[in-house]
Amino acid sequence: TQLLEQSPQFLSIQEGENLTVYCNSSSVFSSLQWYRQEPGEGPVLLVTVVTGGEVKKLKRLTFQFGDARKDSSLHITAAQPGDTGLYLCAGQNTNAGKSTFGDGTTLTVKP
Amino acid sequence: KAGVTQTPRYLIKTRGQQVTLSCSPISGHRSVSWYQQTPGQGLQFLFEYFSETQRNKGNFPGRFSGRQFSNSRSEMNVSTLELGDSALYLCASSLMLPRTGAEAFFGQGTRLTVV
Repeated sequence: TQLLEQSPQFLSIQEGENLTVYCNSSSVFSSLQWYRQEPGEGPVLLVTVVTGGEVKKLKRLTFQFGDARKDSSLHITAAQPGDTGLYLCAGQNTNAGKSTFGDGTTLTVKP
Repeated sequence: KAGVTQTPRYLIKTRGQQVTLSCSPISGHRSVSWYQQTPGQGLQFLFEYFSETQRNKGNFPGRFSGRQFSNSRSEMNVSTLELGDSALYLCASSLMLPRTGAEAFFGQGTRLTVV
């Protein structure tokens, strides 16, 4: 069974601070996605990473896939209240076809 | 392009009843997955359908079942409802691509409350 562990589970910071959340596994994934979910809504896809060592930027968000494709991180610069939400990572093994989700990091950014 | 549509958005049922939830995927997406989300358990995989066939199944009791139609629309059914079935049920459609894998596009979910 492939498992994804996310840390920290909860994070509460002030507007303007930087933060990093982590997604770790002992398994290798062929691709990994990050999602953000707001209360009462479904998760929304932020990014997909597929190559070991890959770095992708989405405005103030920077996503990195580990060299061995077992872990990933999400770094947010100068967080804003609009970044508040549940951040989920999900990985796939090409042969399996289904996604394995982490338990998520709940981020609260206070104005 | 229309997103994933789930109906109904909210549902209140009594213990012992059964419920059917519906999901219309993004046009062209043949894979539909269902998840149960609760505060304590996170996002739990129920099952995945591809071209009307159940391709993957999570670790849920047989009271949870699903199906997919030829137009890729999917339904999930929960029989003999229990209080613990109260949750947000999410449907996701995806297009498996060689480069990006199975990027999931989620509906807004159905909030089921069992009383």
